[in-house]
Amino acid sequence: KAGVTQTPRYLIKTRGQQVTLSCSPISGHRSVSWYQQTPGQGLQFLFEYFSETQRNKGNFPGRFSGRQFSNSRSEMNVSTLELGDSALYLCASSLEGTSGLNEQFFGPGTRLTVL
Amino acid sequence: AQSVSQHNHHVILSEAASLELGCNYSYGGTVNLFWYVQYPGQHLQLLLKYFSGDPLVKGIKGFEAEFIKSKFSFNLRKPSVQWSDTAEYFCAVNGGADGLTFGKGTHLIIQP
Repeated sequence: KAGVTQTPRYLIKTRGQQVTLSCSPISGHRSVSWYQQTPGQGLQFLFEYFSETQRNKGNFPGRFSGRQFSNSRSEMNVSTLELGDSALYLCASSLEGTSGLNEQFFGPGTRLTVL
Repeated sequence: AQSVSQHNHHVILSEAASLELGCNYSYGGTVNLFWYVQYPGQHLQLLLKYFSGDPLVKGIKGFEAEFIKSKFSFNLRKPSVQWSDTAEYFCAVNGGADGLTFGKGTHLIIQP
């Protein structure tokens, strides 16, 4: 069974630009969650999508958005990039989502660097 | 809101030493508890989880954790560590609609 895949693996952008990250969950998983990992703040929950609907949202500004498609693939978008957005963005998939009794499987992450 | 505190940010041990990593959480309701590990250059992967039942849970690679509800703790243990256990360890809690809340992580270095 293929794991969670994320593309691209590395990105370099400049301040003010926008970026779109992609995540393909494990086949059969309907929930996709996104996390931001930085040395200072650690792993922080961005949002969760389940069956194309945003189900939960963390404490991030509106510049961070996402969506999920009918095949459960998800994209995350960050607009008007700031230096502080430099981070490893992790995607996790699960059968029923963060509120259910099931494990989240993580992808390798996308390393975003904002210059 | 839920929160997780990991007491040790950096731990250095010799091979065969015993390990205990502390984790305390803050949440008023029923929680699900997890320990994840991130080996150098690899994905986050689940070590073990607690949902209900026996508070002593066993995970992969000889790790175990004990849930003590009265202390809001979920400490990770391993009786004898190996060089290959060098990694970053994260405690996480899922108690509501905030997704998984992670601790800041513990960087464990095992010296041969």
